[in-house]
Amino acid sequence: KAGVTQTPRYLIKTRGQQVTLSCSPISGHRSVSWYQQTPGQGLQFLFEYFSETQRNKGNFPGRFSGRQFSNSRSEMNVSTLELGDSALYLCASSAKQGTEAFFGQGTRLTVV
Amino acid sequence: AQSVTQLGSHVSVSEGALVLLRCNYSSSVPPYLFWYVQYPNQGLQLLLKYTTGATLVKGINGFEAEFKKSETSFHLTKPSAHMSDAAEYFCAVSDRDDMRFGAGTRLTVKP
Repeated sequence: KAGVTQTPRYLIKTRGQQVTLSCSPISGHRSVSWYQQTPGQGLQFLFEYFSETQRNKGNFPGRFSGRQFSNSRSEMNVSTLELGDSALYLCASSAKQGTEAFFGQGTRLTVV
Repeated sequence: AQSVTQLGSHVSVSEGALVLLRCNYSSSVPPYLFWYVQYPNQGLQLLLKYTTGATLVKGINGFEAEFKKSETSFHLTKPSAHMSDAAEYFCAVSDRDDMRFGAGTRLTVKP
């Protein structure tokens, strides 16, 4: 069974640009969560989707958005990038809400 | 809502010494508890989990954790540290609806 796949693995963007990250969950998993990880702030919850609906959202500005498709694949978008958005973005999928989460390897975003 | 506190953002042990990483949780319902490990530039990997049943849970790489309801704790232990155990460890709690992660503990293993 394939694991959680995140693309791309590495990304360099310029301030003011926007970026879209992709996450393909484990087959059959309907819950997808996104996290931002930085050395200073640690692991911070962005949002969670279940069956195409956003269930929970963390304390991030509206520049951060996401969506989930009918095949459970998810994307997150960050608009008007700031230097502080440089981070490792992690996606996790679960078979059911609140159960064991399986993580992808992450996308390392660098904003210059 | 549930929450997790990991005591000690950094723990350093000598190779062969006992590893003890502390985790306390709060939850209004019987929790599911998890420990994850993260190596540099990688995602989080599940070490072990407690859902119901036996309170002493064994995981991968020789780690184990004990659920103590009276102490609201789920500390992670390993009898003898290896250099390869150096990583960041995260405790997580779930009320079956949401999962919350602790801030993480970075484990350093000295030769």
